[in-house]
Amino acid sequence: EAGVVQSPRYKIIEKKQPVAFWCNPISGHNTLYWYLQNLGQGPELLIRYENEEAVDDSQLPKDRFSAERLKGVDSTLKIQPAELGDSAVYLCASSLRGGTGGTGELFFGEGSRLTVL
Amino acid sequence: AQTVTQSQPEMSVQEAETVTLSCTYDTSESNYYLFWYKQPPSRQMILVIRQEAYKQQNATENRFSVNFQKAAKSFSLKISDSQLGDTAMYFCAFSGNQFYFGTGTSLTVIP
Repeated sequence: EAGVVQSPRYKIIEKKQPVAFWCNPISGHNTLYWYLQNLGQGPELLIRYENEEAVDDSQLPKDRFSAERLKGVDSTLKIQPAELGDSAVYLCASSLRGGTGGTGELFFGEGSRLTVL
Repeated sequence: AQTVTQSQPEMSVQEAETVTLSCTYDTSESNYYLFWYKQPPSRQMILVIRQEAYKQQNATENRFSVNFQKAAKSFSLKISDSQLGDTAMYFCAFSGNQFYFGTGTSLTVIP
């Protein structure tokens, strides 16, 4: 079974440029998460989707960040314009929720490391 | 609101020795899961061990085991026979209505 796939793995951009990250969750996982992780710290939730609905985006800086999850499968996280402080690793995770089959365990991708110069 | 607390930012252990990482949590939910995740330097976050709150028996996975004290809301991870590959950040996590991470413990295994 394929895991969570993220791209690109690494991205270097100048400040004020746009950037987009893509995530393909595990097949059948209806919950998808985007996290931001700074060096040596824990993941911080940016947005959580249940199918195609964003059910928790309270921590997403909406002035420059946007996300979408078309058809409840793949998701894209965009930053426009990027700032120096956005340099971090952006993690995507998915989980199988609901009913007796869901433990809520998160499966993570390898992350997208963003460097803003 | 749920919180997950890891009070040990950094720990070290000699190779082949045993180490215990602490985690406490706060919740009003009765059904939930607890996890320990491992994140090696610059590598993917992976699940180490899972505990269902309704199970009294502590989970074990090879050299990894937990001490789950539901009344005390404590969920510690014990790593036996530590290996160099165990060097990583370890995150305690809670899954109920939402998912919460602790701040992490950086573990270094010393040769």
